[in-house]
Amino acid sequence: QVQLVQSGAEVKKPGASVKVSCKASGYTFTSYGISWVRQAPGQGLEWMGWISAYNGNTNYAQKLQGRVTMTTDTSTSTAYMELRSLRSDDTAVYYCAREIYSNNMDVWGKGTTVTVSS
Amino acid sequence: DIVMTQTPLSLSVTPGQPASISCKSSQSLLHSDGKTYLYWYLQKPGQSPQLLIYEVSSRFSGVPDRFSGSGSGTDFTLKISRVEAEDVGVYYCMQGIHLPPTFGQGTKLEIK
Repeated sequence: QVQLVQSGAEVKKPGASVKVSCKASGYTFTSYGISWVRQAPGQGLEWMGWISAYNGNTNYAQKLQGRVTMTTDTSTSTAYMELRSLRSDDTAVYYCAREIYSNNMDVWGKGTTVTVSS
Repeated sequence: DIVMTQTPLSLSVTPGQPASISCKSSQSLLHSDGKTYLYWYLQKPGQSPQLLIYEVSSRFSGVPDRFSGSGSGTDFTLKISRVEAEDVGVYYCMQGIHLPPTFGQGTKLEIK
């Protein structure tokens, strides 16, 4: 079955970077995109960006431009999301999701908790 | 960015009774291809979101038929015909026609 397995929880200091992985299985990785969505504690869902696993094209949320980079490794069917210059308000659960078309996110990972604290 | 507004923000329903959630978008979600890119997700407690409904009214694989979606343009509704205990969680609508995709604030469903 289609699965997205995310890396484990991270604790980072302000100003540091974090890189979260999302390993896909059960489908042809390069046939779809991967979206990243985050959820701050007790808050709603915020779209961060998208990457095509086919050609590496990306779209990022404007507020994260310059701090976020999404990449893929097709040899391991893994997507990565790196967020730099971390601030306390980046503390959140970060989800990857398979995007099948037009932002239709049909399968989600279980989430990776990133805590930014001094 | 398109603003998605859900009402109510919380709902307490007796098992077996119906429930309805409204979602309004600040712009039309009708694409030139004729499709309307409005999705509904449910986030059960402690879990990641799961897709319920895509393109306004199509149920995702495995979603019970007590869930139905309707609407057009800027006004949409999710209905649960008979609420069950397993339906508790936060329901989000999301638009996928314009970048960035945006979510409603969420509607928390509790069981009485």
